[in-house]
Amino acid sequence: DVKVTQSSRYLVKRTGEKVFLECVQDMDHENMFWYRQDPGLGLRLIYFSYDVKMKEKGDIPEGYSVSREKKERFSLILESASTNQTSMYLCASSISKRGNTEAFFGQGTRLTVV
Amino acid sequence: RKEVEQDPGPFNVPEGATVAFNCTYSNSASQSFFWYRQDCRKEPKLLMSVYSSGNEDGRFTAQLNRASQYISLLIRDSKLSDSATYLCVVTSNSGGYQKVTFGIGTKLQVIP
Repeated sequence: DVKVTQSSRYLVKRTGEKVFLECVQDMDHENMFWYRQDPGLGLRLIYFSYDVKMKEKGDIPEGYSVSREKKERFSLILESASTNQTSMYLCASSISKRGNTEAFFGQGTRLTVV
Repeated sequence: RKEVEQDPGPFNVPEGATVAFNCTYSNSASQSFFWYRQDCRKEPKLLMSVYSSGNEDGRFTAQLNRASQYISLLIRDSKLSDSATYLCVVTSNSGGYQKVTFGIGTKLQVIP
């Protein structure tokens, strides 16, 4: 079975802190994604990566950056956390660039910024 | 206009009922279509892909209408365990790579 693992289920951080959310997949997938999910807004794409050291902005990249130094790991960085970044963050991976394959999700990280 | 639009519901239906969800998409060049299911406080998981000719998996039927740019999901003989949020997913080309866009999700509550 494909496994996508996010480093934390729950995080509480202070405003202004630098926050790292880690995601690891074990199936050699090319594509990896970071989404945030908020009530009434659904899943919104923050960043995605189709290869090591490659990244593309999604719909809401402001306030975030990403890093993909190894194929299996995709990190989301909140440079200076703010209260409006309180959300559920979901990482996903999929096999190919073609986009016609299933995306597998991690269990999510519920981040609260106080 | 949102790229993918869904009625968020909730749809409250009795056990045994048939329920249908629609999802519209704005990009006529969209290439692949899926329905995902998300249980409360869980991650989304693939329910089924949607093919041009329509496809069925047990009580679930998915259809694609490219001319009108919508996809649908039909659930027959609803079970309590079908209660979840159903996410419509559309992929399209974005600078040579595929962009995956989720709808807001439609919440289904099956009641005894």
